[in-house]
Amino acid sequence: TQLLEQSPQFLSIQEGENLTVYCNSSSVFSSLQWYRQEPGEGPVLLVTVVTGGEVKKLKRLTFQFGDARKDSSLHITAAQPGDTGLYLCAGATGYGQNFVFGPGTRLSVLP
Amino acid sequence: SQTIHQWPATLVQPVGSPLSLECTVEGTSNPNLYWYRQAAGRGLQLLFYSVGIGQISSEVPQNLSASRPQDRQFILSSKKLLLSDSGFYLCAWSVQWGQYYNEQFFGPGTRLTVL
Repeated sequence: TQLLEQSPQFLSIQEGENLTVYCNSSSVFSSLQWYRQEPGEGPVLLVTVVTGGEVKKLKRLTFQFGDARKDSSLHITAAQPGDTGLYLCAGATGYGQNFVFGPGTRLSVLP
Repeated sequence: SQTIHQWPATLVQPVGSPLSLECTVEGTSNPNLYWYRQAAGRGLQLLFYSVGIGQISSEVPQNLSASRPQDRQFILSSKKLLLSDSGFYLCAWSVQWGQYYNEQFFGPGTRLTVL
């Protein structure tokens, strides 16, 4: 069974601070996605990483896929209250129809 | 561009009543379709997925069922709801480019409360 773990589960920081959240597995994934979800809404896709070691930047967000394609990290620089939400990672297998989701990291950025 | 719709947005149903949630996708053809359930503030539990019309795979034994009567329509049903069926239901579609690049996109969700 493929599992994804995320850490930390909860994170509360002040506006302007930096943070990193992690997504780890013992399984290899062909691609990995990061989503942000706000209360009462569906998850919104932030990024997909495919190549081991790949780094993608989305404004103040930096995503990295591990060399072995088993883990990933999301780094936020100078967090803002608008970054508040539930961050989910999901892994996909090459030809699979299924996506494995982590339990999420709930981020709260205080003004 | 592709869009995904779910309805209703919220639903309050008594225990033992039937359920029908609908999901439609626009702007793509032959998508993989998914139903997930999410407990409050938690991760997603995959319930069903479909790779084509009439093809449904169930991930979790339960009193729910799914059907795909048309290429871009996915329906989640129950004959008799249980209290434990309460939750946030999400429909999603996915696209695969090449061998390794998969992406999944979610609808706005349906909040179901069973009383």
